[in-house]
Amino acid sequence: DQQVKQNSPSLSVQEGRISILNCDYTNSMFDYFLWYKKYPAEGPTFLISISSIKDKNEDGRFTVFLNKSAKHLSLHIVPSQPGDSAVYFCAAKQFRTGANNLFFGTGTRLTVIP
Amino acid sequence: GAGVSQSPRYKVAKRGQDVALRCDPISGHVSLFWYQQALGQGPEFLTYFQNEAQLDKSGLPSDRFFAERPEGSVSTLKIQRTQQEDSAVYLCASSLVAGSSYNEQFFGPGTRLTVL
Repeated sequence: DQQVKQNSPSLSVQEGRISILNCDYTNSMFDYFLWYKKYPAEGPTFLISISSIKDKNEDGRFTVFLNKSAKHLSLHIVPSQPGDSAVYFCAAKQFRTGANNLFFGTGTRLTVIP
Repeated sequence: GAGVSQSPRYKVAKRGQDVALRCDPISGHVSLFWYQQALGQGPEFLTYFQNEAQLDKSGLPSDRFFAERPEGSVSTLKIQRTQQEDSAVYLCASSLVAGSSYNEQFFGPGTRLTVL
């Protein structure tokens, strides 16, 4: 049972435009959300996170939005750059229950076209 | 380098063979995680250590999977009598402290296991 879902396996965006990656979750106990970026033959690297007490977190070109009522979050990258081309994973955890492990989505492959 | 390292990077095993995958976490990191990533999927949690204590092994798919971290640093994931469905990338991650939500997990490059 996939508790974190990324329904778009791939996305192509022109350089300079906005990239929007979406993620949905089913477990209402999740209270902390993360985005990881993965290049081929490398492990995922942390990009940005958001706590459930917030609805937006911004870090440079990256912004994550959280809509708790819809159990939906999104990652906005603007402006998109060719170096952003990678697989992006959405992940969630239950901090309040003391669980430490992350639940991941299946990933979205972003291609930024120069 | 100061990152998480894993060895071997690639492992081919014949069905029924035992394998051992090694993880060297970032020095001083208390928490260590193992994840399994099947082709086209996201990483799935296997097990979690806090120092040498294995606090959660709920994700281990069968009793053929065993993990240890005897001195609270290096960890080994062992798979006995490998099956074709064990073919995946095995990712190790470490984090500095336990329990905090603001606690980034740093991932290694993974070991790609192929069982023939």
